[in-house]
Amino acid sequence: DQQVKQNSPSLSVQEGRISILNCDYTNSMFDYFLWYKKYPAEGPTFLISISSIKDKNEDGRFTVFLNKSAKHLSLHIVPSQPGDSAVYFCAASAHRGKLTFGTGTQLKVEL
Amino acid sequence: DAGITQSPRHKVTETGTPVTLRCHQTENHRYMYWYRQDPGHGLRLIHYSYGVKDTDKGEVSDGYSVSRSKTEDFLLTLESATSSQTSVYFCAISELTGGGYTQYFGPGTRLTVL
Repeated sequence: DQQVKQNSPSLSVQEGRISILNCDYTNSMFDYFLWYKKYPAEGPTFLISISSIKDKNEDGRFTVFLNKSAKHLSLHIVPSQPGDSAVYFCAASAHRGKLTFGTGTQLKVEL
Repeated sequence: DAGITQSPRHKVTETGTPVTLRCHQTENHRYMYWYRQDPGHGLRLIHYSYGVKDTDKGEVSDGYSVSRSKTEDFLLTLESATSSQTSVYFCAISELTGGGYTQYFGPGTRLTVL
């Protein structure tokens, strides 16, 4: 039973356009959501997070939206840059920092 | 940089041999975690620790054990390695931020079991 799902294994966008990565969850006890970025041969890097009491959090080019009724969150990257090409994982937490991860979306930003 | 190192970074071993992976952190974090990453599965929690000698199982703990005798070190042991344990292993610490606990990861250990 996969509690956090990223249904798009890959996404390709042009440089300068918006990238939208999606994530769905099933566990209503999740109260904190995070996005991580991962380059090959490196550990995941924390990108941005959102608490369940909010519906939007913004940090520079990155914005995370949370729709609790739909159990859906999304990461918007505007404008997309070639250096954003990586695998993006969403994760959710319900208890003392234990995270449940999605399977990841490979983002490719093309020139 | 959360001050996390993992050793070794790469290891090739044979089926049936014991293997120990080490995670070391320098910032006195209480919470530490071990994950494995496999294609199509994302990151899955193996074991975690809430302090010295306080550990618990994650979702894929079979075949793994852990120990934490010092705050800074969290060891993951494969008692008898199998080919299904070929994976990339990540250690993480967590910090309480404004909204919740955020985890920060080490660089990973790539383990191949032949």
